[in-house]
Amino acid sequence: GENVEQHPSTLSVQEGDSAVIKCTYSDSASNYFPWYKQELGKGPQLIIDIRSNVGEKKDQRIAVTLNKTAKHFSLHITETQPEDSAVYFCAASLGNYQLIWGAGTKLIIKP
Amino acid sequence: GAGVSQTPSNKVTEKGKYVELRCDPISGHTALYWYRQSLGQGPEFLIYFQGTGAADDSGLPNDRFFAVRPEGSVSTLKIQRTERGDSAVYLCASSPGGTGNTIYFGEGSWLTVV
Repeated sequence: GENVEQHPSTLSVQEGDSAVIKCTYSDSASNYFPWYKQELGKGPQLIIDIRSNVGEKKDQRIAVTLNKTAKHFSLHITETQPEDSAVYFCAASLGNYQLIWGAGTKLIIKP
Repeated sequence: GAGVSQTPSNKVTEKGKYVELRCDPISGHTALYWYRQSLGQGPEFLIYFQGTGAADDSGLPNDRFFAVRPEGSVSTLKIQRTERGDSAVYLCASSPGGTGNTIYFGEGSWLTVV
């Protein structure tokens, strides 16, 4: 079955710098890749997603890139701010209802 | 409401008691999901509804767990004879239906079994 690996488990960056979180997936048939942000005590919030027919998608300071050949996708956050501190999860889907989740990355923004 | 609504937000119950957790999905969303999340881990799939029927309940850990969605909107997750190991956040999510749709989560119901 599908497996998603996420790295790093913890990432600490200086405020204003960029942060990159990487995920790899095992099933080449996966075609939908969402990223969720989860703040303490809250549910996961979708921040950006990408489908397999697109190589890159950007929304203000957040971007996601997808390399289908290498089977990996990455989240890029530029000009990080304190409110970006949270746990970020990547996921992959075969286009059905099932999401296969990464283990999460705790992002710490240092002032 | 605009988002997925879950009640209660927090529930403390004694071991052995029965618990019901309610989810009100985004209006018009035919697909509804229940996940469970323990501290420091990602969401764990429990059950998926398409309309009124449970299309996949393979994630339910045992027969103490049951979920219903009688009218294709609100869903209730029911846990019988609760155990301390059931303590977790129970997340509900919904999507417009079909395949490849974005899934939106509620804030979760924090269950503590003492």
